[in-house]
Amino acid sequence: GQNIDQPTEMTATEGAIVQINCTYQTSGFNGLFWYQQHAGEAPTFLSYNVLDGLEEKGRFSSFLSRSKGYSYLLLKELQMKDSASYLCAVSSNSGGYQKVTFGTGTKLQVIP
Amino acid sequence: DSGVTQTPKHLITATGQRVTLRCSPRSGDLSVYWYQQSLDQGLQFLIQYYNGEERAKGNILERFSAQQFPDLHSELNLSSLELGDSALYFCASSVLFSGGVQYFGPGTRLTVT
Repeated sequence: GQNIDQPTEMTATEGAIVQINCTYQTSGFNGLFWYQQHAGEAPTFLSYNVLDGLEEKGRFSSFLSRSKGYSYLLLKELQMKDSASYLCAVSSNSGGYQKVTFGTGTKLQVIP
Repeated sequence: DSGVTQTPKHLITATGQRVTLRCSPRSGDLSVYWYQQSLDQGLQFLIQYYNGEERAKGNILERFSAQQFPDLHSELNLSSLELGDSALYFCASSVLFSGGVQYFGPGTRLTVT
């Protein structure tokens, strides 16, 4: 089976940096996604990591360590609009089928 | 705008009733996924179709069924509705047979009274 762990909630200050961690246990791992979901809205794709290391995309960066089963999403220069849930999703190979499983998400509140 | 459309946006119905939710994937995408998200809960994968055929099943109740039509739109049928079925139902599409980035529709908010 798969196990994905993320903190339930985090609070950070506008203009600051926040790191949202995700740990996972799965067999056949072949990638990790991060999605952003504002309350009551659809999840939107942020990043995809396959190899170890840091992927930077503007204010958002995502890091992956396959050997440690660990990823983080780094948000810089926080803005109020970054208040949302951040979903970690793991892709794993099961008999030739790439299964994507979502974590329960981290609810980030940005305060002034 | 992801390019995935879902109708209706809101649906209010009574227990015991049956409803149909509709999804049109992004142009060119052959995979359609259905998810349920209850209040403050994570995304629960229900079922996936690829080019008209069922490809994967998640935690989908027997009271629920889905299909994907030749024009690639998909419908999720929910029957004998219970209060606990109240949730946001998302459809997502992907160009790949499995895996890959999924693009989500705006969701259908179902309220069962």
